Amino acid sequence: ILNVEQSPQSLHVQEGDSTNFTCSFPSSNFYALHWYRWETAKSPEALFVMTLNGDEKKKGRISATLNTKEGYSYLYIKGSQPEDSATYLCAFMDGGSQGNLIFGKGTKLSVKP
Amino acid sequence: DGGITQSPKYLFRKEGQNVTLSCEQNLNHDAMYWYRQDPGQGLRLIYYSQIVNDFQKGDIAEGYSVSREKKESFPLTVTSAQKNPTAFYLCASSTERLWRDEQFFGPGTRLTVL
Repeated sequence: ILNVEQSPQSLHVQEGDSTNFTCSFPSSNFYALHWYRWETAKSPEALFVMTLNGDEKKKGRISATLNTKEGYSYLYIKGSQPEDSATYLCAFMDGGSQGNLIFGKGTKLSVKP
Repeated sequence: DGGITQSPKYLFRKEGQNVTLSCEQNLNHDAMYWYRQDPGQGLRLIYYSQIVNDFQKGDIAEGYSVSREKKESFPLTVTSAQKNPTAFYLCASSTERLWRDEQFFGPGTRLTVL
């Protein structure tokens, strides 16, 4: 059974702090890794889709890295703002899954002003 | 505005009744998906469809059924055979069948069985 682990489960930071989360996934037969942000009362929205080992992607103050050989991805938020408060989901897809995304349980970030 | 709509937002059902959740998209996406969220768990795939008139079971399809008669619509029926249907249901879509494409999500339907 494929398993995707996210840590920490929750995180409380002050406005202006930088933070990072981890997503761990099986290192064999990698196909893609997705990151989503899910704000309360809204729909999840995609942040990044990463497909190559060593990928680094950036969107504003948020960036992500990917290591498929060791099976992890980091999501970084620089200078957290209250509007960054959300649950961050990662989802893994392996080559044999025929499109089945396996989601982690998420990291819930709270940013205090 | 393009997007995905789900209705209703909240749904209450008596035990033994079938209920259908609506999902519509105007993004011209080929692929559509249904996920279920339970407290403390990640999203789990119920069914997905890559093209009209075709759909595949996900990890937890038992007790559910779907149809894909139109590209825009992918309704999910929760049948009385689903033993624990109370959950939050999310519909999503993506551009193609390549599977690496990001998925776009609807706002969800919270189903409660009374």
